[in-house]
Amino acid sequence: DGGITQSPKYLFRKEGQNVTLSCEQNLNHDAMYWYRQDPGQGLRLIYYSQIVNDFQKGDIAEGYSVSREKKESFPLTVTSAQKNPTAFYLCASSILGQNGYTFGSGTRLTVV
Amino acid sequence: AQKITQTQPGMFVQEKEAVTLDCTYDTSDQSYGLFWYKQPSSGEMIFLIYQGSYDEQNATEGRYSLNFQKARKSANLVISASQLGDSAMYFCAMREPRGSARQLTFGSGTQLTVLP
Repeated sequence: DGGITQSPKYLFRKEGQNVTLSCEQNLNHDAMYWYRQDPGQGLRLIYYSQIVNDFQKGDIAEGYSVSREKKESFPLTVTSAQKNPTAFYLCASSILGQNGYTFGSGTRLTVV
Repeated sequence: AQKITQTQPGMFVQEKEAVTLDCTYDTSDQSYGLFWYKQPSSGEMIFLIYQGSYDEQNATEGRYSLNFQKARKSANLVISASQLGDSAMYFCAMREPRGSARQLTFGSGTQLTVLP
């Protein structure tokens, strides 16, 4: 079955450490996105990528980095520069020019 | 500036009754799309319904319909015959051109609780 796989589901990080969240899709979608969700709030865009080896900052990119070396993969690194990284992170993908977005099941990151 | 506004942080509805979740939006673009997503406590985002800005008819998908009032910039979600499984967080989102890409901007959500 086609879909988006995010791993791990839960992640714990010590302060000062970088951590990478995985996002893989087998939908052959061109575009991929990372969103952050804080409790009781909506999703905010961190980064997005329309094609391999290209990505753009979203509204809250500070303290995060991404790469898009393969069409299927769009990992997100939460760096130590991110002041408040504890949140729920959702990855999504879409076909450029179409309206459908597919979301992964999310990774819940907690800084301890 | 807030682009998507959901003014109802929480809503309650009796099972089998209809409920309307409010959403207003702000854009200067002529071409845009409006989405509703459901987020259960497990966290995944489930697509419910889509309305394009040029669509003349209100969108419907099973028990979900979208009351689109373009002049008022509102896109309310109507859930008919509520079920206990409808209890979840509901998000309104807008897709509009941003540079060369199309992005989704989300509202803050409405927590719907269906009462037995």
